[in-house]
Amino acid sequence: EAGVAQSPRYKIIEKRQSVAFWCNPISGHATLYWYQQILGQGPKLLIQFQNNGVVDDSQLPKDRFSAERLKGVDSTLKIQPAKLEDSAVYLCASSFHRGNEQFFGPGTRLTVL
Amino acid sequence: GQQLNQSPQSMFIQEGEDVSMNCTSSSIFNTWLWYKQDPGEGPVLLIALYKAGELTSNGRLTAQFGITRKDSFLNISASIPSDVGIYFCAGPSNFGNEKLTFGTGTRLTIIP
Repeated sequence: EAGVAQSPRYKIIEKRQSVAFWCNPISGHATLYWYQQILGQGPKLLIQFQNNGVVDDSQLPKDRFSAERLKGVDSTLKIQPAKLEDSAVYLCASSFHRGNEQFFGPGTRLTVL
Repeated sequence: GQQLNQSPQSMFIQEGEDVSMNCTSSSIFNTWLWYKQDPGEGPVLLIALYKAGELTSNGRLTAQFGITRKDSFLNISASIPSDVGIYFCAGPSNFGNEKLTFGTGTRLTIIP
């Protein structure tokens, strides 16, 4: 069974630029999560989707971050414009149902200069 | 918000030694999850605990769900080089919400 796929693996941009990350969850998983992991810390949930609907985006900085999962499968996370403090690893995870065990992708490491 | 504190923050051990780490919360959890994260990779689920007092093993790993439901323990027996990494505990923040809160992590290093 293929795992959660993410791309790109690495991205370097300058502050005020835009960036987008892509995630393909495990086939059949209805719930998709985006996490931000700052160096030395545990992952922090940004947004949670159930199929193509948002379940929780309370910790998403909505002035600059946006995410969508239009067809209930793939998802994109966008940052526009990026700030220095956005430098982190962005992890995507999926689970069969809400409350089931979450499986993580390899992450995208973002560096904002 | 809820916090999960892990201890120790880091461990330096020799190959073959046993390892113990724990995770404590200021509030009750109904599920405890233990993840391991290798450098440049996402966390990988090691063990899931669903019942207070539950003791579950996965190979050389054993985890326990504390009776008070505010703590959990992870033990690794006879450590090997591939055990190196960061271990995170995690649990749903709110009953029925399933939003995971992650602990602060324990970094395990094996000294040659």
